[in-house]
Amino acid sequence: DAGVIQSPRHEVTEMGQEVTLRCKPISGHNSLFWYRQTMMRGLELLIYFNNNVPIDDSGMPEDRFSAKMPNASFSTLKIQPSEPRDSAVYFCASTHGGLGQETQYFGPGTRLLVL
Amino acid sequence: QQQVKQSPQSLIVQKGGISIINCAYENTAFDYFPWYQQFPGKGPALLIAIRPDVSEKKEGRFTISFNKSAKQFSLHIMDSQPGDSATYFCAASIATSYDKVIFGPGTSLSVIP
Repeated sequence: DAGVIQSPRHEVTEMGQEVTLRCKPISGHNSLFWYRQTMMRGLELLIYFNNNVPIDDSGMPEDRFSAKMPNASFSTLKIQPSEPRDSAVYFCASTHGGLGQETQYFGPGTRLLVL
Repeated sequence: QQQVKQSPQSLIVQKGGISIINCAYENTAFDYFPWYQQFPGKGPALLIAIRPDVSEKKEGRFTISFNKSAKQFSLHIMDSQPGDSATYFCAASIATSYDKVIFGPGTSLSVIP
């Protein structure tokens, strides 16, 4: 399997622009997680889905952030409008789920810089 | 109560030495405790994990020690190597939580020759 795929790998944009991050989880995995990582705040869970349904979005920092999972093989995280403080590495992870299969498989991340 | 505390924030160990990272939790409902390893520019990856029904788990040079009564667990890296230099995250989760994991803040380990 190719693992979790994220695109783009790097994104540089200007404040106020819309940013869309994409994630393809591992085939057959039931849960998908979006994280944000910064030096100051560490690894933060933003939102997660189970069987394409959002379960908990309490980590989404503001209404500027939204996430969708239209099907089992694709998810997006959108920031509109973007701000410099959104600069971070955004990771997507997926799990198969169930006892003994809790391992979260992380993608390579999208490094976002908002100028 | 959902927090996982981790120390130290950074650690420098000489090659061949033992690296020890400690974690603590409050929520007694946690029943799965993984450790993730992250190299620069990469996503975290599972290193080793333990369930609270055992007090120790060893995989190669990596050992988790678990103290259920103290609500603490630790990672020991024996014979530390420069290739072990990475950030290590302890974590905890509950079986019924859709595999949501609570991560500690991370420990940056540098193994020097």
